[in-house]
Amino acid sequence: DVKVTQSSRYLVKRTGEKVFLECVQDMDHENMFWYRQDPGLGLRLIYFSYDVKMKEKGDIPEGYSVSREKKERFSLILESASTNQTSMYLCASSRQASRYEQYFGPGTRLTVT
Amino acid sequence: QKEVEQDPGPLSVPEGAIVSLNCTYSNSAFQYFMWYRQYSRKGPELLMYTYSSGNKEDGRFTAQVDKSSKYISLFIRDSQPSDSATYLCAMIRGGNTPLVFGKGTRLSVIA
Repeated sequence: DVKVTQSSRYLVKRTGEKVFLECVQDMDHENMFWYRQDPGLGLRLIYFSYDVKMKEKGDIPEGYSVSREKKERFSLILESASTNQTSMYLCASSRQASRYEQYFGPGTRLTVT
Repeated sequence: QKEVEQDPGPLSVPEGAIVSLNCTYSNSAFQYFMWYRQYSRKGPELLMYTYSSGNKEDGRFTAQVDKSSKYISLFIRDSQPSDSATYLCAMIRGGNTPLVFGKGTRLSVIA
């Protein structure tokens, strides 16, 4: 059973803080993704990675960075959190051979005050 | 025009009804067409996928793709309260490109 875990279910941070969101998958998937999900806006892709130390910008990369030092781990970094980054953050992974099937983590609800 | 359009609903139906969920798209390069289901406070999970045009059936669920009209549908027969969730369509082109998701349709099946 594929499992994607995220470091926190709920997180509250202050404006200007540096925030780290961690994602780990246990099925040796090549691809990993970070999304945010907001009411009325749906899932929006922030960054993705097809291999270790590789990263690609998604649709809304501004204000975010990522790190993938190991195949199983993909980190999302908010360099200086702002209130408009309050959102649900979802991590996902997939095999390169079956990119249509993404496995999602349970999400991190981030509130920036 | 967005690449993928999906009516957000909400859609409320009585138990036992046939549900029809739809998406339209603009990019003819899409090859795989998926439906993801997302329960409240959970991540989405893949429900069904179809490669190119045609129909695919899995129990009470049927996915249809009409590439000529750039239109995909998900039908749920004999809907149950446990089907209450948000349904997201998703599509992918060839090559190393990410999925493109619709915004999702929120469905409630009332007992």
